[in-house]
Amino acid sequence: DGGITQSPKYLFRKEGQNVTLSCEQNLNHDAMYWYRQDPGQGLRLIYYSQIVNDFQKGDIAEGYSVSREKKESFPLTVTSAQKNPTAFYLCASSISTDTGELFFGEGSRLTVL
Amino acid sequence: QKEVEQDPGPLSVPEGAIVSLNCTYSNSAFQYFMWYRQYSRKGPELLMYTYSSGNKEDGRFTAQVDKSSKYISLFIRDSQPSDSATYLCAMSEGAQKLVFGQGTRLTINP
Repeated sequence: DGGITQSPKYLFRKEGQNVTLSCEQNLNHDAMYWYRQDPGQGLRLIYYSQIVNDFQKGDIAEGYSVSREKKESFPLTVTSAQKNPTAFYLCASSISTDTGELFFGEGSRLTVL
Repeated sequence: QKEVEQDPGPLSVPEGAIVSLNCTYSNSAFQYFMWYRQYSRKGPELLMYTYSSGNKEDGRFTAQVDKSSKYISLFIRDSQPSDSATYLCAMSEGAQKLVFGQGTRLTINP
């Protein structure tokens, strides 16, 4: 089945540690995205990538980093510089960057203790 | 003022009722309008997609866009308990500028 796989589903980390969230897609989509979801705030764009080896900052990129070495993979690193990292992180992909029809993974819940 | 406003609810209605969910927006450049459904602890899934103004119907779901009023709606007819979820409106000029509403939490009571 085609889709987007995020791992891990749940992650606990101590303050000051970097963590990397995995996102893999087999939909052959060019564009991939990372969103953060907090209660009452909707989804906010962290980073997006329209093509391999290229990515752009979204609205809340500070404290995060990404890479796009393969079309299928778009990992997100939450660094110790992110002041409030506890959140639900969603990876998405789209076949076109023109329409906004996104396919989402099931999300990763990060809790920083 | 937020670019997209959506009442977060929660909204609770009896099974079989007609549900109306709404969003307003301020950016007149938005061309694409979407409704996503998100079940608890899951990723959102695209429910309805509309380009520019007008209506679109898919089974029990109808999406309406009124660009002159900067207002979009999602109607659910004959609502079912399985429709209980958070509904997110989203709109864009292009995918990289997708802007989401806060989401409305909906519960359909049997």
